[in-house]
Amino acid sequence: SQTIHQWPATLVQPVGSPLSLECTVEGTSNPNLYWYRQAAGRGLQLLFYSVGIGQISSEVPQNLSASRPQDRQFILSSKKLLLSDSGFYLCAWSAADRWNYEQYFGPGTRLTVT
Amino acid sequence: AQSVTQLDSHVSVSEGTPVLLRCNYSSSYSPSLFWYVQHPNKGLQLLLKYTSAATLVKGINGFEAEFKKSETSFHLTKPSAHMSDAAEYFCVIRRGNNRLAFGKGNQVVVIP
Repeated sequence: SQTIHQWPATLVQPVGSPLSLECTVEGTSNPNLYWYRQAAGRGLQLLFYSVGIGQISSEVPQNLSASRPQDRQFILSSKKLLLSDSGFYLCAWSAADRWNYEQYFGPGTRLTVT
Repeated sequence: AQSVTQLDSHVSVSEGTPVLLRCNYSSSYSPSLFWYVQHPNKGLQLLLKYTSAATLVKGINGFEAEFKKSETSFHLTKPSAHMSDAAEYFCVIRRGNNRLAFGKGNQVVVIP
């Protein structure tokens, strides 16, 4: 069966520090991968998605970037964190099959920028 | 563009009474719709999905949803609320390139 991992689970970082969040998927090949941010009272916002290694699409301009160095690894990064980057970050995957649209979510990372 | 609207950001129900969460969609073609649930500080779990098959969709934990094209709705229901149903619920619609658009969510509180 497929599983998705995210780490760390929680993170407290000062403003201006770098960020690296990691997501890995097991039990599937060539998944579509997604990064979301969930801010208090604002629902889920899609940040990035990837349909293959090195292929990243950005949904909104922001202080963050994403990379996919391996088929089942998706990394969210920032060179200098802002207060507004605080939130709950969720990674998700979906099958590359165009008829299977549901996404499966990881446990999330709670980021607090101080 | 495909989108969903969830009203009633907070919903309180008594244990043992029915749950109704409303979702209306906007789509230029036949939509694919989902309901997800999120328990505090957890990831999202798929409750059910509609992909143009049966209009009444049954999901996990006793939840079901009915797709009504005439009303552009996909409301989520459960006959009897349980304490474990306290969570946030998201109505979701598929967009292009396998992306999903989420509603703002319904925070459900179950009163004992």
